[in-house]
Amino acid sequence: NAGVTQTPKFRILKIGQSMTLQCAQDMNHNYMYWYRQDPGMGLKLIYYSVGAGITDKGEVPNGYNVSRSTTEDFPLRLELAAPSQTSVYFCASSDRGKSNQPQHFGDGTRLSIL
Amino acid sequence: GENVEQHPSTLSVQEGDSAVIKCTYSDSASNYFPWYKQELGKRPQLIIDIRSNVGEKKDQRIAVTLNKTAKHFSLHITETQPEDSAVYFCAASTSGGSNYKLTFGKGTLLTVNP
Repeated sequence: NAGVTQTPKFRILKIGQSMTLQCAQDMNHNYMYWYRQDPGMGLKLIYYSVGAGITDKGEVPNGYNVSRSTTEDFPLRLELAAPSQTSVYFCASSDRGKSNQPQHFGDGTRLSIL
Repeated sequence: GENVEQHPSTLSVQEGDSAVIKCTYSDSASNYFPWYKQELGKRPQLIIDIRSNVGEKKDQRIAVTLNKTAKHFSLHITETQPEDSAVYFCAASTSGGSNYKLTFGKGTLLTVNP
């Protein structure tokens, strides 16, 4: 198993450009999450999904969109990139069980917006 | 929503000493408390977790304690080694229905001096 795979690893965008951060997991996990991590800070939840076709906002959703057409994939879309979106983005997934299951993280995408 | 406070923000210890990191949470309904270790430039990795029906859990040199009444939990690392140097994050679940969302603390930078 590759676990959670994120692409690209690094990206530089100009203000106003758009891009999609890709996330795929091969563990057949129902739950998937997108976080951002600003320097010296913890992880803040952007969006999450409890299964294909179902998504919901997290703590900091403004400026982002997501979709979940399959169990495996959970892409994050930035429509109009702004400098405030410069961050490291982590995707995570967890299994569905009777109680909370550990979240497994990808390697992250380091995004700079200039 | 849930709020997780983590202290201290930085911690420096000598190799072989113990390290303790403390977290408090606000939502009395939280029932899952994982700890993640993040080395520089790497993904967060789960090192230990505890559920609300357990007061303490150990895994070799790492232990976590939970006080539900006071709404705080702590990570204890004994016999610290230089490879323990990293940022440690606590988290609490804001589980509602089948949605297992984590709220993270801001992290503790642990430095183990040889």
